[in-house]
Amino acid sequence: EDQVTQSPEALRLQEGESSSLNCSYTVSGLRGLFWYRQDPGKGPEFLFTLYSAGEEKEKERLKATLTKKESFLHITAPKPEDSATYLCAAGGTRGRDDKIIFGKGTRLHILP
Amino acid sequence: DGGITQSPKYLFRKEGQNVTLSCEQNLNHDAMYWYRQDPGQGLRLIYYSQIVNDFQKGDIAEGYSVSREKKESFPLTVTSAQKNPTAFYLCASGGRETQYFGPGTRLLVL
Repeated sequence: EDQVTQSPEALRLQEGESSSLNCSYTVSGLRGLFWYRQDPGKGPEFLFTLYSAGEEKEKERLKATLTKKESFLHITAPKPEDSATYLCAAGGTRGRDDKIIFGKGTRLHILP
Repeated sequence: DGGITQSPKYLFRKEGQNVTLSCEQNLNHDAMYWYRQDPGQGLRLIYYSQIVNDFQKGDIAEGYSVSREKKESFPLTVTSAQKNPTAFYLCASGGRETQYFGPGTRLLVL
C-alpha cells in the first residue's frame, strides 16, 4: 500500500538551531516528491518538487533532498517566521490517473 | 493575478442541510481536487476531476458530490448524508508536476 510517513510529529527549536525533518515513502512508480508549508488556517504553500534520488533543491533557509526511500527537509539557522506545519507528499498513480499521497505533517515551532 | 479562490472562508451547516463550497482557478489547469483536513490527520482526497464533465471518487467520497461543468470551477456539495462534516476543506488544481492549493473553507455544524 502506498504510504507517506513524516517524523517527528512536532519539533521545537531555538532560533538559529538547525535540524532536519524526515519523510519516508513507499509509492510504486514515484513520479515526484513534494514539500509544502502550511500556516494555521491557511492552504498549503508549494515549496519543492524532487524527481530522482540524489536531487537537491534550496529556498532561503530550506533545503530538500531525496533518496530512494526518504526525503529530508533541512532547515538551517531557522527564524521564528519559519514556524509552520511542513507537509510531504509523494506522487503516484491511481489506475490511469495521477494521485498524490500526503503525510500527516511535522509541526515546527521556532522559539525566539 | 493567477491562483485558486475558495469561498466562503467559514460555512455553517444546520442538521439535514446540504451546503456547497466554491472553488475557482485561473491557472488553466485541467485537473482539480477536493481534500478534507482533520486535526492530526493527513489530507484525504474526496473527489478529483482530470477534465471537464468528468470526475472520480477519491478515498472518502461518501456524503459528498461534485460537478465540473467549466474548466475553472469545481464546486463541492456536502450533503446531509455526511454525518461528520466538520473539517477544513481544501481545493487544489494542477497535475503531474504538483498541486496548488486554495486558502480553504472551514465548515462547522450548528
